[in-house]
Amino acid sequence: DVKVTQSSRYLVKRTGEKVFLECVQDMDHENMFWYRQDPGLGLRLIYFSYDVKMKEKGDIPEGYSVSREKKERFSLILESASTNQTSMYLCASSSTTAEQFFGPGTRLTVL
Amino acid sequence: GQNIDQPTEMTATEGAIVQINCTYQTSGFNGLFWYQQHAGEAPTFLSYNVLDGLEEKGRFSSFLSRSKGYSYLLLKELQMKDSASYLCAVSATYDYKLSFGAGTTVTVRA
Repeated sequence: DVKVTQSSRYLVKRTGEKVFLECVQDMDHENMFWYRQDPGLGLRLIYFSYDVKMKEKGDIPEGYSVSREKKERFSLILESASTNQTSMYLCASSSTTAEQFFGPGTRLTVL
Repeated sequence: GQNIDQPTEMTATEGAIVQINCTYQTSGFNGLFWYQQHAGEAPTFLSYNVLDGLEEKGRFSSFLSRSKGYSYLLLKELQMKDSASYLCAVSATYDYKLSFGAGTTVTVRA
């Protein structure tokens, strides 16, 4: 059974803190994605990666960075968290079929 | 950019049929996905259309018209557990990215 896991379901951080969100997939997928999901806006792509050490900006990369040192792990980094980054963060992975498998999400609150 | 539109909310009665429409204007087209997302959970795959026509999978069917930039998801014999958000997503480029609509929240009433 395919599995994408995320390090936390709920996270509360303070403005200015550095935040790490971790995502791990066990399907040997090449592609991994980070989205944020906000009411009325749907899923918006932050960053994605086609391979180890490769990354591409999505639609809303400002204020975020990513790291992919191993094929199974894709990390999202908020260098200095701000209140407008309070959101649900979803990680996904896919192979060559384009169907994406999602993790359970991390609900981040920045105070 | 990519533009994908779907209604915000729909309400239907248990046992009934609901049709969720999705229209898209994208720079390219490689296929259209429908996902289901229950509140507080991850989206899960429902269907994939790449050619025109109807794909049926149990109580759920999905239709695509590439020339019209249009798809719909048909949910038959609605059950309470079908109350969820339904996401339309288009693969518009050859880099495996998906562009999502804002989602349609379906509420099934007894």
